Amino acid sequence: EAQVTQNPRYLITVTGKKLTVTCSQNMNHEYMSWYRQDPGLGLRQIYYSMNVEVTDKGDVPEGYKVSRKEKRNFPLILESPSPNQTSLYFCASSSAGVNTEAFFGQGTRLTVV
Amino acid sequence: QKEVEQDPGPLSVPEGAIVSLNCTYSNSAFQYFMWYRQYSRKGPELLMYTYSSGNKEDGRFTAQVDKSSKYISLFIRDSQPSDSATYLCAMRFPHSGSARQLTFGSGTQLTVLP
Repeated sequence: EAQVTQNPRYLITVTGKKLTVTCSQNMNHEYMSWYRQDPGLGLRQIYYSMNVEVTDKGDVPEGYKVSRKEKRNFPLILESPSPNQTSLYFCASSSAGVNTEAFFGQGTRLTVV
Repeated sequence: QKEVEQDPGPLSVPEGAIVSLNCTYSNSAFQYFMWYRQYSRKGPELLMYTYSSGNKEDGRFTAQVDKSSKYISLFIRDSQPSDSATYLCAMRFPHSGSARQLTFGSGTQLTVLP
């Protein structure tokens, strides 16, 4: 089954404690992205990757890091989480080209206290 | 001003009603327009996809794009309780893969009452 898998689904952590949210896709997609979803603000892109070792900032990259060492994986790293990073996070992937669909993971609900 | 504006609702309608969901946008360079449906505790899933201006129909769903007015709509005919979800409009520029950069509206929460 084609899917984007995020882990964990729920995470509560304390300010300053480094964490990683993993994302893996099994569709051999070139493009992968991270979004955060906040009430009233919709989905905003954090980082995206066009292929292995190619990443770029989205609209709200501050406080986040990413890496793309393998095509299937695109982890999101919060080196020093803060309460304003409490949000619902989604990973998405799509193949290259213009007429392509983005597939989203199930989401990771992060709470930073 | 946000690039994409969408009325957040919530919107409640009786079963069988025609639902109209709308977004306006400010950047005329957007060429691809999408509607995503997001059920509670799930990720968004693509519902409709339209390139440039015009209409597209898929079953009970019709997407309309009016680029001259920078306005897109999603119509749901004969709405069902299973249509209850948050509907997100999204758009992107040409020459960019969809997971590269989508710009989303804030979403409209729809409830269809039996």
